[in-house]
Amino acid sequence: KNEVEQSPQNLTAQEGEFITINCSYSVGISALHWLQQHPGGGIVSLFMLSSGKKKHGRLIATINIQEKHSSLHITASHPRDSAVYICAPSGGGADGLTFGKGTHLIIQP
Amino acid sequence: NAGVTQTPKFQVLKTGQSMTLQCAQDMNHNSMYWYRQDPGMGLRLIYYSASEGTTDKGEVPNGYNVSRLNKREFSLRLESAAPSQTSVYFCASSGAYRSNQPQHFGDGTRLSIL
Repeated sequence: KNEVEQSPQNLTAQEGEFITINCSYSVGISALHWLQQHPGGGIVSLFMLSSGKKKHGRLIATINIQEKHSSLHITASHPRDSAVYICAPSGGGADGLTFGKGTHLIIQP
Repeated sequence: NAGVTQTPKFQVLKTGQSMTLQCAQDMNHNSMYWYRQDPGMGLRLIYYSASEGTTDKGEVPNGYNVSRLNKREFSLRLESAAPSQTSVYFCASSGAYRSNQPQHFGDGTRLSIL
């Protein structure tokens, strides 16, 4: 089973700061998903990547398959970015996704 | 565009009662999933349906049954609810059961077993 570690578990920052959330996993994968869970509970998929880097607005996700590590960056953070961010590596097949416990991010105005 | 719809949103049951959680998607997705989310733990897969007509156990299937009623609908049944099944349940769907397909989630069902 893939062991997934996210850091930090909790992060409080000021509006405008650059945010980095890290994800490490133990078993080689074919893709990794980043998800966002809003305070109301809904979960949305932010990124799915298998190599390199992807950017969507102020969000950037990177992955190093050899190092078994991925990062999610938020530039110019805003209070509306406050949420739980979850990484989920996948080896495909019957194992599906393995979810990290999440990073609880609070952006203060 | 509704995406993935779960009903009910909240439910309180007594130990031993049964209930069915409903899930429907309107994205013509082949694969559907049921997860549970507990405090301090990541989402855990209960059951999944890779395609219409098939269902398979996930990581934590004990105490649950599922039915893939048709391509749109995937239900989760608790036959005899136990307090350990108090959790938030999420249904999700994806185009195919492959790692390169993003999953779309419903809003969740908050279930309490007394």
